[in-house]
Amino acid sequence: IVLTQSPGTLSLSPGERATLSCRASESVSSYLAWYQQKPGQAPRLLIYDASNRATGIPARFSGSGSETDFTLTISSLEPEDFAVYYCQQRISWPRELTFGGGTKVEIK
Amino acid sequence: QVLLVESGGGLVKPGGSLRLSCAASGFTFSDSYMSWIRQAPGKGLEWVSFIDRSDATVYYADSVKGRFTISRDNAKNSLYLQMNNLRAEDTAVYYCARDGGGNYAYWGQGTLVTVSS
Repeated sequence: IVLTQSPGTLSLSPGERATLSCRASESVSSYLAWYQQKPGQAPRLLIYDASNRATGIPARFSGSGSETDFTLTISSLEPEDFAVYYCQQRISWPRELTFGGGTKVEIK
Repeated sequence: QVLLVESGGGLVKPGGSLRLSCAASGFTFSDSYMSWIRQAPGKGLEWVSFIDRSDATVYYADSVKGRFTISRDNAKNSLYLQMNNLRAEDTAVYYCARDGGGNYAYWGQGTLVTVSS
């Protein structure tokens, strides 16, 4: 299953709303997760099963969608939110898990 | 707290071999599924391999099947990845991750493998 993320880069200012998209080549039901990665760090799980926030993740992060179309929304960007975001599907777990190509959220 | 520490990365020539290790602590390793995930320099994430709790079931990405072998030693709280016949395209940071049914809440810091002549 191919996951296509858009846009490739999102240029926004702190306080603005960020909307990131992930589209699957076939249905993944709700088995989609979102990760944040900063330079030199391992990815951090933000959202699992499309809309569930992982432990310790602030409420400004929310996920939605099902089947083939998913969205990660950051309601009001904080300085620490500028990073790369990846979506990932697990419908065929424990095999053939795939990640999207990433969306970079940069400071405008 | 959960801690995963990878080691064993380095520079290796094409066709060579390398064995990565991942030392786990802060959770019951023997009750946990584990996976390896890699990231080529400046690129995205790629799932590499999965192992179940008892080492009975393993899966690999097509890109590494037949060349990589995942294993674990529950007595030593350790995960391994034996990588043979390495290619330039295997150059990446390799992360071990605790596999929560395909959700990865815990990752190591990664170890860099560079395949180059």
